[in-house]
Amino acid sequence: DTGVSQDPRHKITKRGQNVTFRCDPISEHNRLYWYRQTLGQGPEFLTYFQNEAQLEKSRLLSDRFSAERPKGSFSTLEIQRTEQGDSAMYLCASSSPTSPHEQFFGPGTRLTVL
Amino acid sequence: AQKVTQAQTEISVVEKEDVTLDCVYETRDTTYYLFWYKQPPSGELVFLIRRNSFDEQNEISGRYSWNFQKSTSSFNFTITASQVVDSAVYFCALSANAGGTSYGKLTFGQGTILTVHP
Repeated sequence: DTGVSQDPRHKITKRGQNVTFRCDPISEHNRLYWYRQTLGQGPEFLTYFQNEAQLEKSRLLSDRFSAERPKGSFSTLEIQRTEQGDSAMYLCASSSPTSPHEQFFGPGTRLTVL
Repeated sequence: AQKVTQAQTEISVVEKEDVTLDCVYETRDTTYYLFWYKQPPSGELVFLIRRNSFDEQNEISGRYSWNFQKSTSSFNFTITASQVVDSAVYFCALSANAGGTSYGKLTFGQGTILTVHP
């Protein structure tokens, strides 16, 4: 059984460019979460999906951020007009219907905005 | 609002020593879950343990044990006979009911960097 996968693992972009990250949760996990982690800090919640429905969004998720999970499987996180402050590790996690409180994390996508 | 505080920024021990990581949490919810995660240098968060608010029984799992005390809102984690491979950042996290909606987000502490020297 494969774990949560994220693509790409690293992304370097110039300020003002758009970037998109992908997360593939563990098979049959209905819940999917996005977090952001900056250097020296704990992860901060961004948004949460149950199946294809986006049920909660953090205030950290500005208008430049959008997340989708169109078929209730993989999810994408897009950042438009990137800023240097967006540089961080973006983590995806998923959990199953039988153990909803146990989130399994992917390896993360490290974004560097120049 | 939920809050998790890990007062220890860094801890350094010598192999085989026991080490306790402190965690204090805040929540108004009566139903909640507490977690410990490990983040090795590779960066991936690894789930270690979970405890719900109804069960204050402390347990031992291998070299790991935890002390959950609702009276002091603490959820401390102990590694017995530490090993070099235990070197990582350890995060305490909280998931609460948030007013009756389904559980979702984790609120993390700032992490404790543990270094185990040979």
